[in-house]
Amino acid sequence: DVKVTQSSRYLVKRTGEKVFLECVQDMDHENMFWYRQDPGLGLRLIYFSYDVKMKEKGDIPEGYSVSREKKERFSLILESASTNQTSMYLCASSLIRSSYNSPLHFGNGTRLTVT
Amino acid sequence: AQRVTQPEKLLSVFKGAPVELKCNYSYSGSPELFWYVQYSRQRLQLLLRHISRESIKGFTADLNKGETSFHLKKPFAQEEDSAMYYCALMAGGFKTIFGAGTRLFVKA
Repeated sequence: DVKVTQSSRYLVKRTGEKVFLECVQDMDHENMFWYRQDPGLGLRLIYFSYDVKMKEKGDIPEGYSVSREKKERFSLILESASTNQTSMYLCASSLIRSSYNSPLHFGNGTRLTVT
Repeated sequence: AQRVTQPEKLLSVFKGAPVELKCNYSYSGSPELFWYVQYSRQRLQLLLRHISRESIKGFTADLNKGETSFHLKKPFAQEEDSAMYYCALMAGGFKTIFGAGTRLFVKA
C-alpha cells in the first residue's frame, strides 16, 4: 500500500518566516504534487514534479517554491509566509506519466496557520 | 479552459434515500475522471475512476461526454457515506484538477 507521509500535521508560523513542508512517498512514484485545500475552493494545484529536479507550476504558484532532490521527497517552501497562506496543504504522488489509471495517493495533510 | 464544477456545496439526504452528487467538466481532450472521498479525520482517497466502470461501496458514476458530466450515484445512502466528495479531471497526462467538493450528510 502506498504511503505518503507529511512531516507535520500542524504548523504555526509568523508572517515573514520561511516555511518548509516536507513530503515523502515510499512507492517509487514518479509524480509528486502539492495542493492547498480551502473550503469552497476545493483543491488547487500549487506545483508538481514528474522527475527528480524537475518542477512545473500549477495553478497558484505565487509565493511558493518547491524542491525535489530525491525521487521520494518533495518539499514545498514558503519563502516569506503571509496570512493568506493559512490553509491545509496536501501532498500527493502518482505512478507513471501519461497513463490511464494513475490516481493520486494523498498524505494526511499539514494545517498551516500564519499569524 | 479545463474546469470541474460541482454545483452543490452541501447535500443532505435521509438514510436509505438515493443520492446523486453532480459533476460537470470542461476539457477539450479525452477526459480521465475520478471521484475522491475524504471521511472525517482521514486522508483524501480515491473512490472510483471512470475507466474502470466499477462500483465501489455501492457508488457508480457514468461518463456522459454529450453532457460533459460524471455524476456520482448510490441507490440507498448509508450514514457511513457522510463525507466530502471531490470530482477530479486528469488533464494533460497527469495534472489533476479538482472541483470545489460536495459535503454529503446522511441523516438517520
